[in-house]
Amino acid sequence: RKEVEQDPGPFNVPEGATVAFNCTYSNSASQSFFWYRQDCRKEPKLLMSVYSSGNEDGRFTAQLNRASQYISLLIRDSKLSDSATYLCVVNPQVGGSQGNLIFGKGTKLSVKP
Amino acid sequence: DTGVSQDPRHKITKRGQNVTFRCDPISEHNRLYWYRQTLGQGPEFLTYFQNEAQLEKSRLLSDRFSAERPKGSFSTLEIQRTEQGDSAMYLCASTLGGTIRGYTFGSGTRLTVV
Repeated sequence: RKEVEQDPGPFNVPEGATVAFNCTYSNSASQSFFWYRQDCRKEPKLLMSVYSSGNEDGRFTAQLNRASQYISLLIRDSKLSDSATYLCVVNPQVGGSQGNLIFGKGTKLSVKP
Repeated sequence: DTGVSQDPRHKITKRGQNVTFRCDPISEHNRLYWYRQTLGQGPEFLTYFQNEAQLEKSRLLSDRFSAERPKGSFSTLEIQRTEQGDSAMYLCASTLGGTIRGYTFGSGTRLTVV
């Protein structure tokens, strides 16, 4: 079983749609969780951290379920500019002391006019 | 200092040649990481430094790979006797301590081995 698994997509949605991405991780001791965004041929950039209580940043909502080892990202009212690959990321280290991250393969989103 | 810079942006080399990449982290960041990303995959951890000390190496880092950070500032990643399977984007990231929120990636070096 891969350490971080995501549906690779692609997800093709119209502008204004709501889209949800899911991710599972295998290491139950993992401490920190993130969603990164990566545009084509660019470097990954931090989109948001993920907390058990759920957190929201504008149109983006992230959720963590530690019991199920499941992470989600919801994008509401999608824009053309949301088209990118979304990477689910886990820091497996206790206390996050090492800082090396485990990335999923990414889910490609394409928002169409 | 506007971010993490990597050089070169692109490198095409013949199989069997040696290549070296450079990463300049954000100046106050003491931790520096190297990742490799192939098409359709997420970045995979290779190695990291805290100041000049190389603290961890992934099993992906074969004997042909070596990384240095001699003065705790810039880092180099060398690949000897390149193989076609080494073709990938090599990403560098830096952070202060282990703070993930401050984890900044460079634009990467895209290596093509022909």
